Amino acid sequence: AQSVTQLGSHVSVSEGALVLLRCNYSSSVPPYLFWYVQYPNQGLQLLLKYTSAATLVKGINGFEAEFKKSETSFHLTKPSAHMSDAAEYFCAVSDQESSASKIIFGSGTRLSIRP
Amino acid sequence: NAGVTQTPKFQVLKTGQSMTLQCAQDMNHNSMYWYRQDPGMGLRLIYYSASEGTTDKGEVPNGYNVSRLNKREFSLRLESAAPSQTSVYFCASSVLGRTGGQSTDTQYFGPGTRLTVL
Repeated sequence: AQSVTQLGSHVSVSEGALVLLRCNYSSSVPPYLFWYVQYPNQGLQLLLKYTSAATLVKGINGFEAEFKKSETSFHLTKPSAHMSDAAEYFCAVSDQESSASKIIFGSGTRLSIRP
Repeated sequence: NAGVTQTPKFQVLKTGQSMTLQCAQDMNHNSMYWYRQDPGMGLRLIYYSASEGTTDKGEVPNGYNVSRLNKREFSLRLESAAPSQTSVYFCASSVLGRTGGQSTDTQYFGPGTRLTVL
């Protein structure tokens, strides 16, 4: 069975500081991995996805994530935090190539930005 | 393109009442999904539909039914609402894409329906 674990339900950083949101996955087959962002009172928006084409994945809004098979990790980073990055972030995993992938979501990490 | 739309945005029910949450997408996607989101638990899949005419149970299907009315619309019905069904419900649809020879399935989400059952 697949699963994802997001370490830290709440992360707080200063504006301009490095953002690091941690995600570890478990999968018996090569995974597809996703990061989604959710702003208050909105649905989820895809930030980036890993599909085995490249281990370093660049997404929208300056975010990127690196797939490390040896560590079963897919951590999300951004060099310099902006106030607008405050949101909840979800890591997700899928292993199916069918037309209806069942994506498993982590429990989420709330990111706060201090002025 | 409106993307994925959901109605209503908010709803309050009494225990035992029934209601249907509506979802529509205009992206010509084959697959559609219903999730519920509860604090500290991420999103959990209730039902999904791989294509028009098919539906399958997800992780938490009890107390719900779905209908894939056509390619655009996927509704979620609560026959007898319970307080445990108080949650935020998200509909999503997906397209099967290909990147570097590998297929991927990116899901696009609606804005959600906030349901309270008293």
